[in-house]
Amino acid sequence: AQKVTQAQTEISVVEKEDVTLDCVYETRDTTYYLFWYKQPPSGELVFLIRRNSFDEQNEISGRYSWNFQKSTSSFNFTITASQVVDSAVYFCALSEAATGNQFYFGTGTSLTVIP
Amino acid sequence: EAQVTQNPRYLITVTGKKLTVTCSQNMNHEYMSWYRQDPGLGLRQIYYSMNVEVTDKGDVPEGYKVSRKEKRNFPLILESPSPNQTSLYFCASSFGSKPYNEQFFGPGTRLTVL
Repeated sequence: AQKVTQAQTEISVVEKEDVTLDCVYETRDTTYYLFWYKQPPSGELVFLIRRNSFDEQNEISGRYSWNFQKSTSSFNFTITASQVVDSAVYFCALSEAATGNQFYFGTGTSLTVIP
Repeated sequence: EAQVTQNPRYLITVTGKKLTVTCSQNMNHEYMSWYRQDPGLGLRQIYYSMNVEVTDKGDVPEGYKVSRKEKRNFPLILESPSPNQTSLYFCASSFGSKPYNEQFFGPGTRLTVL
């Protein structure tokens, strides 16, 4: 079973629109870590955020915000007032403290921001 | 500059010809890992290492080998490459022996097996 599900394969928005990228995870651990990474067209992987399972506070960083809800096992990512430079593939990922030492990525969401 | 380096960046080879992709990090990280990225499948972990001489399989280890003789290096070995190993490969490292922290990624190696 997929540990991290990103159901949206591709999303297109017009510049300045807000967009939310969904991430649903599956784990039996009580302690775990969630991540978002960005992969721009140039191909490198850029770290965006890390949250642990005990910290459900939403986080905002400029135009980026993250909504962590344990009740629905979701860790969604919202970009406000999107820009062309936000065009990239975004990956959600999970690591579990108790049951293993692996790192699990979702399949990614490709975001295109149209000028 | 703190970084993860991979070589080569691009490689075209033929079925069965052994190859090694090198990975090196200069951040004194314990945890290192290899991933392959394929369209529609995201990144999948091949092998990881929690420290020197400690390695373990990820989700897709078949056809690959790794070694961790030194903390900074974590080469990926394909003993007999096959076309289904054509992919984009990333090496990564992170602080600590567990994957709880931000992973730093190399630039990627695009491998084509004919």
